[in-house]
Amino acid sequence: DQQVKQNSPSLSVQEGRISILNCDYTNSMFDYFLWYKKYPAEGPTFLISISSIKDKNEDGRFTVFLNKSAKHLSLHIVPSQPGDSAVYFCAASGHGTASKLTFGTGTRLQVTL
Amino acid sequence: NAGVTQTPKFQVLKTGQSMTLQCAQDMNHNSMYWYRQDPGMGLRLIYYSASEGTTDKGEVPNGYNVSRLNKREFSLRLESAAPSQTSVYFCASSDWGGPGVTGELFFGEGSRLTVL
Repeated sequence: DQQVKQNSPSLSVQEGRISILNCDYTNSMFDYFLWYKKYPAEGPTFLISISSIKDKNEDGRFTVFLNKSAKHLSLHIVPSQPGDSAVYFCAASGHGTASKLTFGTGTRLQVTL
Repeated sequence: NAGVTQTPKFQVLKTGQSMTLQCAQDMNHNSMYWYRQDPGMGLRLIYYSASEGTTDKGEVPNGYNVSRLNKREFSLRLESAAPSQTSVYFCASSDWGGPGVTGELFFGEGSRLTVL
């Protein structure tokens, strides 16, 4: 049973426009959510996170929104740049679970010129 | 500034052979993890070690063993490799349990394993 779902395997966005990546989760015990970015032949790197006590967290061009009632989070990238082309993984963990992250299946973002 | 280092980066095995993937971190993190990445499956947790001296199963532990050798090192062993274990393996560490905990994982570059 996939507890963290990224229903869009891929997304293509023009440079300068907004990229919106979505993630849904089913486990109500999750209280910390993260986004990771992965380039080919590299390990995932941390991008941004949000605790369940917040509904928005912003870091430069990246903003994560959390809707707890809908069990949904999204990552907004504004403006999108060609270097943002990568696979983005949503991840979640529950309190006291030793940072045992449960990952989604990933969304491949391509930013075109 | 090495972070998390995994060896080897590539390995080809025959069915039934054994091998050990090595992982070391230099960030003084308490917790270490082994994940595997497969197409369409995301990253799945194999085993983790919340602190030195402890190990626990993750989501997909069958066919694997781990050893937390010391605070820095966490190895993953395949005793009798099977084609289903063909995957990219990632080691990660985090400061979970330490001061100023953020919970984020820091990943190595991955080890691509093919079992024929």
